[in-house]
Order: sequence, then structure tokens, then C-alpha cells
Amino acid sequence: KAGVTQTPRYLIKTRGQQVTLSCSPISGHRSVSWYQQTPGQGLQFLFEYFSETQRNKGNFPGRFSGRQFSNSRSEMNVSTLELGDSALYLCASSSGIQETQYFGPGTRLLVL
Amino acid sequence: AQKITQTQPGMFVQEKEAVTLDCTYDTSDPSYGLFWYKQPSSGEMIFLIYQGSYDQQNATEGRYSLNFQKARKSANLVISASQLGDSAMYFCAMREVSYGNNRLAFGKGNQVVVIP
Repeated sequence: KAGVTQTPRYLIKTRGQQVTLSCSPISGHRSVSWYQQTPGQGLQFLFEYFSETQRNKGNFPGRFSGRQFSNSRSEMNVSTLELGDSALYLCASSSGIQETQYFGPGTRLLVL
Repeated sequence: AQKITQTQPGMFVQEKEAVTLDCTYDTSDPSYGLFWYKQPSSGEMIFLIYQGSYDQQNATEGRYSLNFQKARKSANLVISASQLGDSAMYFCAMREVSYGNNRLAFGKGNQVVVIP
């Protein structure tokens, strides 16, 4: 089976712009979670989707949003980018709730 | 409050030797799962091993084993016979079952460098 894929792998944006990141889960996996990784804050949970429904959201401002499509693919959007949004954004999929999460390679976002 | 604590400084390990990475956790949930992930410099998080709070035996996966001490709230990872490819950051994570979701709380990680 192919693993979790994320596009794009690298992204450079400027402050105030918005960005959309995409995640394709492992075939058959219906749960997708997103995490932000920064040197200062470490790995932080953003949100989780299962069957197109957001089940849980981390402590992030409303500028961070996401969605999941009927084929389980997920996107996350960050509007009005700030310098502090520079991070590695990791997507993880699992076959269901309470199952092991498998991560993608991540998208490295740099905000200038 | 921090749920996962990994406090060891970066470690240099001789090839073929064993290494133990410490992880302590904090939860009031009687049902939880503990995970270890490896993150090479490429950035991808690679799942290594899982231990459930009610599992009677310590988990093992190939060269990886988890030393689970429930009373001490400790879940140390042991890597036997280190290889050069084991050089990476290692993260301990916990999922609290009672929340009914997939949310993982991660520690800050342990840096391991394997030297020939």
C-alpha cells in the first residue's frame, strides 16, 4: 500500500497570504489528523477528521481550518499567514479512531 | 501541563550497542496508548511501537522493545544492536482513550546519533 502523501512538500509564502496544504491518506484509512511541528513548541495537534467530520480541534486560532472529502483526502488552510506559522505540517492517517497513526513526509512552510 | 516528558540530552551511541530512551507520562485516564515514533532528518515520522495501558506484556517489534512500568508512568524505548540508520529524533506520544479521538500528545524528543 502506498503511504500517506502530502503536497506540496515545500512552500514559501509571505505574511498575510493564505495557504492550502493537501493530504492523501493510506488507502482505506478514514481518519486524518494534522500536526504542526516547530523548534520552539514541538509537535502540536491541529485537528482530526473522520468521515468528513471534524472530531477534535487543537488550541489554534481560527485562521487554521481544515476539511475532509468523501474520499478521505484532507486539506488544511491557513489564512493571513504570520511569521510564526513557519513550521513542518504533518498529516497522519489511521484506519479508524483509536488506531495507530501513520504519518506523511510533511509540508515545510516558510513564511517571509 | 505537559503530558509527555523526554528530558535526555542528545546521545551518541556506538554502532551495535543498545540504547534506552526515557519517557514518562502523566494522565488520569485509566485507558491510554503509548507510542514511539522515529523522525529522521527528512522529517517523516515513522511508527515504531505501541503499548496499551492494559497490555500485560511489554511490546516488542524487531529491534525495538518498550519497557513499560505503569506504576512509575514510564515507557522507555530500547533499541538493540544500533545501526547507523537509527540516527534520528525519537518521540514518545500518548493517546488518552477516554477522549474518544485520535489526538496524540508528543514529548520534545530524544536525539540519537549512532557512530561507527
